[in-house]
Amino acid sequence: EIVLTQSPGTLSLSPGERATLSCRASQSVSSSYLAWYQQKPGQAPRLLFYGASTGATGIPDRFRGSGSGTDFTLTISRLEPEDFAVYYCQQYGNSPSTFGQGTKVEIK
Amino acid sequence: EVQLVESGGGLVQPGRSLRLSCAASGFTFDDYAMHWVRQAPGKGLEWVAGISWNSDTVGYADSVKGRVTVSRDNAKNSLHLQMNSLRTEDTAFYYCAKGPVPAASRVYFDYWGQGTLVTVSS
Repeated sequence: EIVLTQSPGTLSLSPGERATLSCRASQSVSSSYLAWYQQKPGQAPRLLFYGASTGATGIPDRFRGSGSGTDFTLTISRLEPEDFAVYYCQQYGNSPSTFGQGTKVEIK
Repeated sequence: EVQLVESGGGLVQPGRSLRLSCAASGFTFDDYAMHWVRQAPGKGLEWVAGISWNSDTVGYADSVKGRVTVSRDNAKNSLHLQMNSLRTEDTAFYYCAKGPVPAASRVYFDYWGQGTLVTVSS
């Protein structure tokens, strides 16, 4: 089973700042089968990216997914108030599909 | 608009059974695989089970294998999760999630329901 380690656990930033979230896999993720989700309190996760860098419908262009192999990054260029949430990565190239433990982006 | 509405959660004693359901609308249900993903309160996400568009392929997480059965009724646009021999560690929100393709393997989840809470406690 592929273990995904997200860092940092918590990111304290101000609106307008840049957020860089990391997702590292214990082994190479097949064909960049890596997705990112955003989850706000009391809500279901929302798909942001799949295939490491392909944006889901309606995702603002301040969000960017990148990476390959074992190292993947989610970047939010300028944080908006609605971006403060928990972000999860998921690999779906190897069975079973696994998630990282999440990175919380909180308001500083 | 894609809608996934879970039901069937509640408080259940260890060792008992529960059946979760998910009502789907807003898309052609039998064109896509469907999945269950759970989240213990305050914790991360765990894929639980998945089923292909025609029920030919099903898959389960090791943590629930042998205790859980996923099924679907394409005529009724519904997904189900039969959970037996429940344990306290099964306590979680259970989300119904849609895959982007008919196959159940190698998929992410493009739409999620709001979840139903299962609490296993004596």
